[in-house]
Amino acid sequence: DAKTTQPTSMDCAEGRAANLPCNHSTISGNEYVYWYRQIHSQGPQYIIHGLKNNETNEMASLIITEDRKSSTLILPHATLRDTAVYYCIVKGGTSYGKLTFGQGTILTVHP
Amino acid sequence: DAGVIQSPRHEVTEMGQEVTLRCKPISGHNSLFWYRQTMMRGLELLIYFNNNVPIDDSGMPEDRFSAKMPNASFSTLKIQPSEPRDSAVYFCASGNGRAGDTQYFGPGTRLTVL
Repeated sequence: DAKTTQPTSMDCAEGRAANLPCNHSTISGNEYVYWYRQIHSQGPQYIIHGLKNNETNEMASLIITEDRKSSTLILPHATLRDTAVYYCIVKGGTSYGKLTFGQGTILTVHP
Repeated sequence: DAGVIQSPRHEVTEMGQEVTLRCKPISGHNSLFWYRQTMMRGLELLIYFNNNVPIDDSGMPEDRFSAKMPNASFSTLKIQPSEPRDSAVYFCASGNGRAGDTQYFGPGTRLTVL
């Protein structure tokens, strides 16, 4: 699976959009970009995933660049409860769905 | 939907004792994953089952660890004998195992080996 690079930490004001970047320059054509988050002491929570097109659900939007080498997770109106570690994961190909977690981005939403 | 269920949520045991962690995957999912999380190593995959058959156990640390999935609705992860370095949070996740499929995680079992 392709390796991902994320900033170690980010801050965001409550009510503002949080934009979390991820680089995955070695992604291959059949690999998906997944985002999970982990709130303290809880299990990882699925947020969103995409292959080529931008995706939106009730939690977030995922913007994937045309060359698919990077993506951005957007939380449109961050709340204090969105404070968590956010993981960008590339999954697919022959990896049978295995998730390889990196260090992620610690997002802190402050009042 | 109850989600992935794990038990116990917390386990404290003494070195040398046998520990059994349990997982009930989401109904209809045919893949089950056991992960371990520590501060030093982060989240790492231990073993993966597909249709109740172990497919990849390369992440299992050593022979003290074993996992079984006797049916589609139950799996166990056993550590015998346990050691202090096994202290971690153990997560179970289930999904359908396809490349574009989503895995759903349970709440985890926090294991402390004294």
